[in-house]
Amino acid sequence: AQKVTQAQTEISVVEKEDVTLDCVYETRDTTYYLFWYKQPPSGELVFLIRRNSFDEQNEISGRYSWNFQKSTSSFNFTITASQVVDSAVYFCALSEDNTNAGKSTFGDGTTLTVKP
Amino acid sequence: EPEVTQTPSHQVTQMGQEVILRCVPISNHLYFYWYRQILGQKVEFLVSFYNNEISEKSEIFDDQFSVERPDGSNFTLKIRSTKLEDSAMYFCASSEQAWGNTIYFGEGSWLTVV
Repeated sequence: AQKVTQAQTEISVVEKEDVTLDCVYETRDTTYYLFWYKQPPSGELVFLIRRNSFDEQNEISGRYSWNFQKSTSSFNFTITASQVVDSAVYFCALSEDNTNAGKSTFGDGTTLTVKP
Repeated sequence: EPEVTQTPSHQVTQMGQEVILRCVPISNHLYFYWYRQILGQKVEFLVSFYNNEISEKSEIFDDQFSVERPDGSNFTLKIRSTKLEDSAMYFCASSEQAWGNTIYFGEGSWLTVV
């Protein structure tokens, strides 16, 4: 069975600080996909990134970066120079089903508060 | 930017009543999904739909639930005989392909069962 653990329930930082959100996953499959989603206070879900199990290259998108390490089953998310608008709940998710990426198991989420 | 739209944004219903939540996926997308998020909890996958049939469903998606694509644009989630524990935010999502593409979410429909 697949499982996603986001050990950090809440994180609070001051604007311009860097922050890393941890995600640890469990799966028996060799083919799987990992995701990060953002849920701002307005409630919608925003897809941030998808990473497949064969691609361990780190990815950077503006102030966001992701570190995927199969050896530790982790897919951590770093926000550099955080901004107040980054305040949201962030969910990590895992999908083992190789026919349907939408069938994902989500972590419990990490609530990030960025203070001005 | 194209978006997934959901209606209603909020619905209050009596326990035991039937509810239909509606979604209009992005027009060229082929895969459609429903998720549920009980207040303060994580997002849970309910069902995926492709080629006019359910492709995957979770344990949550029991006989009380059904999905339909009644026409070329709408994708609906029906909940028969609602229970108090069905109170949640329901998200619709769509993607162009099963893999390799962004999954776009609607803004959610908040269902309150009283």
